[in-house]
Amino acid sequence: DAKTTQPTSMDCAEGRAANLPCNHSTISGNEYVYWYRQIHSQGPQYIIHGLKNNETNEMASLIITEDRKSSTLILPHATLRDTAVYYCIVRVVKAAGNKLTFGGGTRVLVKP
Amino acid sequence: DTAVSQTPKYLVTQMGNDKSIKCEQNLGHDTMYWYKQDSKKFLKIMFSYNNKELIINETVPNRFSPKSPDKAHLNLHINSLELGDSAVYFCASSQDFGSGYGYTFGSGTRLTVV
Repeated sequence: DAKTTQPTSMDCAEGRAANLPCNHSTISGNEYVYWYRQIHSQGPQYIIHGLKNNETNEMASLIITEDRKSSTLILPHATLRDTAVYYCIVRVVKAAGNKLTFGGGTRVLVKP
Repeated sequence: DTAVSQTPKYLVTQMGNDKSIKCEQNLGHDTMYWYKQDSKKFLKIMFSYNNKELIINETVPNRFSPKSPDKAHLNLHINSLELGDSAVYFCASSQDFGSGYGYTFGSGTRLTVV
């Protein structure tokens, strides 16, 4: 599986867009990019995933570069409740079962 | 109505005891998982079951034994508890065991071994 690199932490202002980068320079063609987040004292929460096209849902947008070596998760209007650890995971789909492995993530603090 | 529920939420026990953590999901998912989050906050998968069949068994001590009586339940039994077993244990489920999206996690069980 491709390794991902994320900033350890970042702050953002409430109401502004939060742009969370993830580097996955060794990604292969059949590996997807997944984003999850973990709010303090809760279980991780699925946010979004993509292969090569940009994706958007009610929670966030995922922008994947054309060479797929990096991606950015965008929270369009950050709220205090978006304070969490955000995990970028790259994983190939495997029929034998998928071990979703969480790394260190980015600790995001949304400030008023 | 909680999608993935774990009980108990907190568990404090002495070394050497045997304890169980229960997990139930009402999402109709086929696959369930147990994850462990240690003091360094890294989440590691322990087990995965698909339709009651064990499909992933990571390098976990034999003292840990999962049991899936049906596809909506995945319990974790731990024998001879050790101090190093102290962690938060998360149960999760997903519709598709081949993909990595749409996992739904429970709120966790904080196990403290004293």
